[in-house]
Amino acid sequence: GNSVTQMEGPVTLSEEAFLTINCTYTATGYPSLFWYVQYPGEGLQLLLKATKADDKGSNKGFEATYRKETTSFHLEKGSVQVSDSAVYFCALNTGNQFYFGTGTSLTVIP
Amino acid sequence: NAGVTQTPKFQVLKTGQSMTLQCAQDMNHNSMYWYRQDPGMGLRLIYYSASEGTTDKGEVPNGYNVSRLNKREFSLRLESAAPSQTSVYFCASKTTSSSYNEQFFGPGTRLTVL
Repeated sequence: GNSVTQMEGPVTLSEEAFLTINCTYTATGYPSLFWYVQYPGEGLQLLLKATKADDKGSNKGFEATYRKETTSFHLEKGSVQVSDSAVYFCALNTGNQFYFGTGTSLTVIP
Repeated sequence: NAGVTQTPKFQVLKTGQSMTLQCAQDMNHNSMYWYRQDPGMGLRLIYYSASEGTTDKGEVPNGYNVSRLNKREFSLRLESAAPSQTSVYFCASKTTSSSYNEQFFGPGTRLTVL
């Protein structure tokens, strides 16, 4: 079946630190992969996506590369800011359905 | 464009009461979804509608019903609320384009069942 496993949180980093949040997936067929971000009290917003193997999604300094050989889509950012504090969800889409990871809470301290 | 809107934002129910959560989107999307979000469990799909006139069960449909009223609106009904249905409910929509296949989410409804 289809599923997403992402790194357990919470993660606490100092401002300007390097961020990695691991995400691996299991899927039939050729899924699209996404990272969504959720700020407190809000819905999920698309952060970035990749639709095929070796694609790199990027937005607001965040990047993730679709690795078919390792079935991974790890989220990275070179220098985090306090405003990046949020919950991050990895997700995959096949057909009409989406499958989400459990979310990783990130807190960035000044 | 308002995107995806949900009403109400907050609701408190007593066990056994019923209510309907409303969702509407103005992006002309074909597919709409209802999720619940619980701590440590991510988002779980309750029901979805791939197109107007169709609905399908997701991972956790028990205790819920849905109606795809038209292309814009997709409602979720709790006929007899239970404390286990205390959660945050999100509606989402997406187009059928294979290139633009991301979901767009509403702001959520925070439901407490006492």
